[in-house]
Amino acid sequence: AQKVTQAQTEISVVEKEDVTLDCVYETRDTTYYLFWYKQPPSGELVFLIRRNSFDEQNEISGRYSWNFQKSTSSFNFTITASQVVDSAVYFCALSREDGSQGNLIFGKGTKLSVKP
Amino acid sequence: NAGVTQTPKFQVLKTGQSMTLQCAQDMNHEYMSWYRQDPGMGLRLIHYSVGAGITDQGEVPNGYNVSRSTTEDFPLRLLSAAPSQTSVYFCASSPDRRYGYTFGSGTRLTVV
Repeated sequence: AQKVTQAQTEISVVEKEDVTLDCVYETRDTTYYLFWYKQPPSGELVFLIRRNSFDEQNEISGRYSWNFQKSTSSFNFTITASQVVDSAVYFCALSREDGSQGNLIFGKGTKLSVKP
Repeated sequence: NAGVTQTPKFQVLKTGQSMTLQCAQDMNHEYMSWYRQDPGMGLRLIHYSVGAGITDQGEVPNGYNVSRSTTEDFPLRLLSAAPSQTSVYFCASSPDRRYGYTFGSGTRLTVV
């Protein structure tokens, strides 16, 4: 069965610290897609990144970076020099294998608190 | 572009009442979905649609109906509200499974 595990329920850091959010997934699909979403206190879901299973290159976007490793079924997210505005719940998600046209299986989220 | 628009943003229902959560998108996306978010549970798929006239059940469909008469609109109906349906509901749309979903701002529903 498909599964997305975000083992860290809550993380608290002080501003300017680096922080890594872990995501481990399980799927039988050979082609699949992984995503990260951010949910700030205002409640909306903001798309951060998409990665397909054929592309294991790491990606960096400003202070954000993602490390995708098929060998360990992980898709971890690192924030460098965290800021208070990074405080949010972060969700890792995986495309469903049941044919529901790309709908997503979500992890339970990691709540990140960045303190000044 | 408005993206995905959900109405209302907040709603309180009494047990047994029915209501419709509205969702509209202006991006001409074929795929639309409804998710519910509960504390500690992440988001779970209720129903989804792959185009006008085509809908299917997701992970937690009981107590909800959907229809898709146009590409733009995908309303979610609660037939007889129960306290267990207290949740935040998100509508989402996508042009293709490769690109993930764009989410609306959510509807916070409380059933008393």
